[in-house]
Amino acid sequence: GNSVTQMEGPVTLSEEAFLTINCTYTATGYPSLFWYVQYPGEGLQLLLKATKADDKGSNKGFEATYRKETTSFHLEKGSVQVSDSAVYFCALSDLGSGNTGKLIFGQGTTLQVKP
Amino acid sequence: GAGVSQSPSNKVTEKGKDVELRCDPISGHTALYWYRQSLGQGLEFLIYFQGNSAPDKSGLPSDRFSAERTGGSVSTLTIQRTQQEDSAVYLCASSLASATSGTDTQYFGPGTRLTVL
Repeated sequence: GNSVTQMEGPVTLSEEAFLTINCTYTATGYPSLFWYVQYPGEGLQLLLKATKADDKGSNKGFEATYRKETTSFHLEKGSVQVSDSAVYFCALSDLGSGNTGKLIFGQGTTLQVKP
Repeated sequence: GAGVSQSPSNKVTEKGKDVELRCDPISGHTALYWYRQSLGQGLEFLIYFQGNSAPDKSGLPSDRFSAERTGGSVSTLTIQRTQQEDSAVYLCASSLASATSGTDTQYFGPGTRLTVL
């Protein structure tokens, strides 16, 4: 079945450091890929998405490129801030025939950014 | 505009009691999803509605769990005879998605934290 694997956390960085959170997936068909973020005490928010191979999603300085050849969707940011401290979830959905668009999530990666 | 809302925000119940959790999706969103977030299992899909019908109930963990949606809008998730392992945050999401639209971004509510004593 479809699945998503994220790098284990927690990830602790100093402010202005470069961030990479790895995400790989297994899927039949051509899923859309997402990064969701959960800030402390808040609900899940969509951070960015990509719907086909080689698409790059970007938002708030974060980027991720849909790599079909490596089945990956790694999240990157050039310079993190304390306010980026949160839990990040990689997810996929498949809207192909017979599928429902339900999201399959990775286990989440906690990011802590220190001043 | 208004986002997805859920009620109650917190629910504490005793083992064996029934609970109802409510979700109000974004107006006009035809697709509605329930998920569960727990420490041991992460984020798990429970059930999917398209309009009032539920073509995918594959994530419901047991027959104690059921859900309905009326008028293509509000949905209720019911857990009968609650057990301690049901303790989790129950999340609702809605989207414009249909099987062919390709518009599949899901917008999440704040969740209901259920604690079963």
